[in-house]
Amino acid sequence: AQSVAQPEDQVNVAEGNPLTVKCTYSVSGNPYLFWYVQYPNRGLQFLLKYITGDNLVKGSYGFEAEFNKSQTSFHLKKPSALVSDSALYFCAVRDGGPYNTDKLIFGTGTRLQVFP
Amino acid sequence: DVKVTQSSRYLVKRTGEKVFLECVQDMDHENMFWYRQDPGLGLRLIYFSYDVKMKEKGDIPEGYSVSREKKERFSLILESASTNQTSMYLCASSPGSRGLQPQHFGDGTRLSIL
Repeated sequence: AQSVAQPEDQVNVAEGNPLTVKCTYSVSGNPYLFWYVQYPNRGLQFLLKYITGDNLVKGSYGFEAEFNKSQTSFHLKKPSALVSDSALYFCAVRDGGPYNTDKLIFGTGTRLQVFP
Repeated sequence: DVKVTQSSRYLVKRTGEKVFLECVQDMDHENMFWYRQDPGLGLRLIYFSYDVKMKEKGDIPEGYSVSREKKERFSLILESASTNQTSMYLCASSPGSRGLQPQHFGDGTRLSIL
C-alpha cells in the first residue's frame, strides 16, 4: 500500500535561514509526489510536484524539493525563509488504485514557524 | 485559475440533523473529493467521485453519503449529525489525469455539531 510520512510535527527556523520540511514515501512503482501549503482558515494550495525527470523540482514562492529515490524521500526546501512562509505543509503521494484517478494519500502535515 | 467553491465557511448544526455540504468547481474536472481535516490526523478521504454519478468510499465513509448529479457539483451529506463529526471539511477537484495533475481545494467548511 502507498504511504507517506512527515516525521516532524513542527519545524522552527529564523527568518533568512534555509528551511527543510521532511517527507518520506513508500510506493509500489514510480512515485508521483506533491507538496501543498495551507494558510490559516484556507484550503490547501499546490506548491510543486515530482512526476519524472530532474530530481530537483522548483515550485511556487521560491520553494523547491529534492527527490531521492534511494532514500525514498522528497524534502521541501527554501534557501531563505520568510515570516510569511509560516503555515502548515503537506506532502502527498498518488494512490494509483482503480479508475486511474488523481487520488492522493496525504501526510499528517508539518507546521512551519519562521521567527523574525 | 481553477475555482472550487464551498457553500459555507462556517456552519453550526445540532445532533441528529441531516447536514448538506455543497461544493462546486468551474473547470469541468472529472474527479472530486471530500476530506475531513483534524489536528494531528492530517487529511482523511471520506468519499471521492471519478465521474458524474460515480462514487467510491474513501478511508472514513461511515456516517456520510455523497451525491454527484452534475459534473460541477459534489455534495457531502451527514445523514444524522453527531458531535464527533465536528471538523473542517475540504472539497477538492482534479482533471482526472491519472495522477499527473494536482488537486485544487476549496477554502473549507468548519462544521460544528452541538
